[in-house]
Amino acid sequence: SQQGEEDPQALSIQEGENATMNCSYKTSINNLQWYRQNSGRGLVHLILIRSNEREKHSGRLRVTLDTSKKSSSLLITASRAADTASYFCATAITGNQFYFGTGTSLTVIP
Amino acid sequence: DTGVSQNPRHKITKRGQNVTFRCDPISEHNRLYWYRQTLGQGPEFLTYFQNEAQLEKSRLLSDRFSAERPKGSFSTLEIQRTEQGDSAMYLCASSRGQVSEAFFGQGTRLTVV
Repeated sequence: SQQGEEDPQALSIQEGENATMNCSYKTSINNLQWYRQNSGRGLVHLILIRSNEREKHSGRLRVTLDTSKKSSSLLITASRAADTASYFCATAITGNQFYFGTGTSLTVIP
Repeated sequence: DTGVSQNPRHKITKRGQNVTFRCDPISEHNRLYWYRQTLGQGPEFLTYFQNEAQLEKSRLLSDRFSAERPKGSFSTLEIQRTEQGDSAMYLCASSRGQVSEAFFGQGTRLTVV
């Protein structure tokens, strides 16, 4: 079974708005990574947050991690049409493999 | 291009045929992963290598599937006697170590007819 669960499954927003998606997981992790996938393409790595970190920023992306709640969130600020994609969280437990959720499908309307 | 490279990008095969995919990881990465992704789902772990050693295999990897990474560089994933249920995107990823980012290739889309 997959470790991560993203929420919501689908999100539609206007360009310029912020998009927030959440990831919950089941067991203790070493790190958590967020990926973007455009339709039919490979996954693009966005950001990695380690289990001893609480927040990380990269450009318009902000990731938080709450290990007590076993959850993470990805915030995309000032969204653009090009941000339209599916977003996945991947949790590394032993570090030997990454477990993915089913993803959040984000649509940014121009 | 110094990213993860996968070949072929697309493969259509008849049921019962064997297929082989290749993955060339980022050169300094010692870890290599294979994942499978079906429509509307997240990637599912198949197997992983550290250098040339295959250290973990998912239960999803039936005995029709075999992966190799000779010399710890490129890897191949072979599927024997393909079935329609094998139709999926096969993704390869590599990373430098245990807590490093994993970088994915563009995938090989397999269609079994």
